[in-house]
Amino acid sequence: KAGVTQTPRYLIKTRGQQVTLSCSPISGHRSVSWYQQTPGQGLQFLFEYFSETQRNKGNFPGRFSGRQFSNSRSEMNVSTLELGDSALYLCASSWGTSGSRTDTQYFGPGTRLTVL
Amino acid sequence: AQSVTQLGSHVSVSEGALVLLRCNYSSSVPPYLFWYVQYPNQGLQLLLKYTSAATLVKGINGFEAEFKKSETSFHLTKPSAHMSDAAEYFCAVSGHGGATNKLIFGTGTLLAVQP
Repeated sequence: KAGVTQTPRYLIKTRGQQVTLSCSPISGHRSVSWYQQTPGQGLQFLFEYFSETQRNKGNFPGRFSGRQFSNSRSEMNVSTLELGDSALYLCASSWGTSGSRTDTQYFGPGTRLTVL
Repeated sequence: AQSVTQLGSHVSVSEGALVLLRCNYSSSVPPYLFWYVQYPNQGLQLLLKYTSAATLVKGINGFEAEFKKSETSFHLTKPSAHMSDAAEYFCAVSGHGGATNKLIFGTGTLLAVQP
């Protein structure tokens, strides 16, 4: 079974630009979550989508947004990039049924975003 | 609210020695706890999870963890370290409050294995 895939793996942008990251979950998984990983703040939850609806959101500014398509693939968008947005962005998928807290989240390899 | 604290941002052991990585949790509801490992330039891989079925949880690659409610701990152990165990390890607790799969992570412990 194919794992979680994320594209692109590496991205370099300049301040003020916007960026879109893509995540394809494991087949059959309906929940996709996004996390930001930085050396200073560690791993932080951005948001979760289930059946095309945002089910939960972390404490990030409105410049961070996402969406999920009917095939469960998800994208996240960051507008007006800032230097501090440089990070590894990880996507995780799970069955998501009933929002179970015991669901195992399977992570993709991440997208490394560098903002210059 | 839930949180986890990992004591020791860096741990170094000799090959063949016991690995002990510490994690303490805080939770207002029965916690569900996870240990993940991250190798350089990769995502997170689940080692094991505690979902209240058994307090001693066995995971992949010879790792196990014991849930101790009295100590609010979920420490990760492996009897004999291997060079391939060198990586960063994250303890996480599942958030609560409505339907959610949100994970709250500790700050991570970087494990070095010396030959």
